[in-house]
Amino acid sequence: EDKVVQSPLSLVVHEGDTVTLNCSYEVTNFRSLLWYKQEKKAPTFLFMLTSSGIEKKSGRLSSILDKKELFSILNITATQTGDSAVYLCAVETTDSWGKLQFGAGTQVVVTP
Amino acid sequence: KAGVTQTPRYLIKTRGQQVTLSCSPISGHRSVSWYQQTPGQGLQFLFEYFSETQRNKGNFPGRFSGRQFSNSRSEMNVSTLELGDSALYLCASSFLKETQYFGPGTRLLVL
Repeated sequence: EDKVVQSPLSLVVHEGDTVTLNCSYEVTNFRSLLWYKQEKKAPTFLFMLTSSGIEKKSGRLSSILDKKELFSILNITATQTGDSAVYLCAVETTDSWGKLQFGAGTQVVVTP
Repeated sequence: KAGVTQTPRYLIKTRGQQVTLSCSPISGHRSVSWYQQTPGQGLQFLFEYFSETQRNKGNFPGRFSGRQFSNSRSEMNVSTLELGDSALYLCASSFLKETQYFGPGTRLLVL
């Protein structure tokens, strides 16, 4: 059975800290791994990763995929209170139309 | 471009009733996927539609159904509501096999 596991489930950091979130997966016919940020309602898209070893960056956020070890990391540097959210990892396979398999998410709380 | 829109945003129903939720995708997106989000189960895939055809379905009972119209707008229906159907229902649209973008969701409370 396909699995997507995120760790930690929650963490509390101070503004300015660096945060590293983990996502491991076991799926057949892997196509892509996606990261989303969910604050109140709609998950908002952060990154899509398909190739191993290529870091994607957007401002203070970055992410990388390791297809050999089947995991991805999302880093947030110089955290701000606005980074407080649930970060979701999802995996898409080549044989399942329009279906994202989500991990449980990591709740990040950034305190002033 | 306008984002994905969902209506209504909030809904209260009683057990046994049925409900219909609507999703309008981003202009040009023909794929619409639906998800149920609950605190206990997280985000779970319901089904996906493309060009008015259901191409994929998750592990939900037959009380959950959907359809897609020629303008790519989609509806999902839940019949004979149960307390456990209380959840945030999210739809997401995508262009071909690209990234899925989510709407704000419909919060359904079943009493």
